[in-house]
Amino acid sequence: EAEVAQSPRYKITEKSQAVAFWCDPISGHATLYWYRQILGQGPELLVQFQDESVVDDSQLPKDRFSAERLKGVDSTLKIQPAELGDSAMYLCASSLEATRGTQYFGPGTRLLVL
Amino acid sequence: KQEVTQIPAALSVPEGENLVLNCSFTDSAIYNLQWFRQDPGKGLTSLLLIQSSQREQTSGRLNASLDKSSGRSTLYIAASQPGDSATYLCAVLGAEAQKLVFGQGTRLTINP
Repeated sequence: EAEVAQSPRYKITEKSQAVAFWCDPISGHATLYWYRQILGQGPELLVQFQDESVVDDSQLPKDRFSAERLKGVDSTLKIQPAELGDSAMYLCASSLEATRGTQYFGPGTRLLVL
Repeated sequence: KQEVTQIPAALSVPEGENLVLNCSFTDSAIYNLQWFRQDPGKGLTSLLLIQSSQREQTSGRLNASLDKSSGRSTLYIAASQPGDSATYLCAVLGAEAQKLVFGQGTRLTINP
């Protein structure tokens, strides 16, 4: 069964360092999402891609976060510099179609900023 | 702005009981509603998706209903098992913003 892949699974970094997360969606899924989930809360959308184009990045803190999906397949989310408040689970999801399809989630990357 | 609320925040029941989890949303203009399961420290697993034109969906022991006009959905779990213990999240895909908005989840514990 096809799955969304994410790496690394865990990341510990110090404040002000740069971190990067990678996501490989299910093959053929045009829409890719990055979410941030703080412990005890539901995920919140950071950025949504349709193929290689950004559809929604209204909640992405653009002073320190960046995301790209250069060839419309896999994607990278970067934080530079990391802050203590960035400690959270970062989830990637993909779907065939943005308005009707089920979103399938990867296992997530748990980030701890010290 | 769409807001999704899940009640209760936590629920503990003995094995074998039937139970209902509740989800409410403020804007009825939605494309669909999804129920997810999340185990501690893991990603989300999609359980059921209900399109806005549908009233309910069933998968095994799970049944989800949608009343769009009142902004409510329920997830019914029949004959609960300890393996059902997890956090259950409800999310709606808004027709205007076209992004998934999640509730805070219900943490379910099934006691053997």
